Amino acid sequence: NAGVMQNPRHLVRRRGQEARLRCSPMKGHSHVYWYRQLPEEGLKFMVYLQKENIIDESGMPKERFSAEFPKEGPSILRIQQVVRGDSAAYFCASSPWGDSGNTIYFGEGSWLTVV
Amino acid sequence: GENVEQHPSTLSVQEGDSAVIKCTYSDSASNYFPWYKQELGKGPQLIIDIRSNVGEKKDQRIAVTLNKTAKHFSLHITETQPEDSAVYFCAAGGFQKLVFGTGTRLLVSP
Repeated sequence: NAGVMQNPRHLVRRRGQEARLRCSPMKGHSHVYWYRQLPEEGLKFMVYLQKENIIDESGMPKERFSAEFPKEGPSILRIQQVVRGDSAAYFCASSPWGDSGNTIYFGEGSWLTVV
Repeated sequence: GENVEQHPSTLSVQEGDSAVIKCTYSDSASNYFPWYKQELGKGPQLIIDIRSNVGEKKDQRIAVTLNKTAKHFSLHITETQPEDSAVYFCAAGGFQKLVFGTGTRLLVSP
């Protein structure tokens, strides 16, 4: 997972605040994925993006969550009006373009705690 | 959609023993099956993967087997060492999205 950079690594927010998590993919990778991991659970797919496009957001909650991957800069996962149930580790992953049966590489994660 | 089941949820072995983790999947269209190792407080690290045109793949002490007919695949770790202790996740999918199993906590005792 070397190369996928996530920040912040740890974030504490009060209920009702906004959380912004950033992800820079590995060099040369144009596909970004976000996964959520609740304590003692597996990884749940949230969203898959390419530059300036959301390809699959079937795992994103319908409200309060959004993601983007602009032409320039990192991918952003935004959570508005956070609630305690949003407390989790959020992992970003990236893969190179056009690799069928993608090999994806994860970052070290952003741990969100809502108090 | 794809559903991946993983067993066992915990596995304790003595150093030097072998460890086997099994996964089943539901979507016959899945063609890519990676395994990840996750240590406490860190991100998942890819340790080995296999594609649907291959039945077995080995990398030193780690091997993965795939049975497409039965829709199951397994991770085999031989000569386990304490540093193999971690949570292991299997995943299945194809282009664009992976579905993960619920993880196996492996504990290797010296």
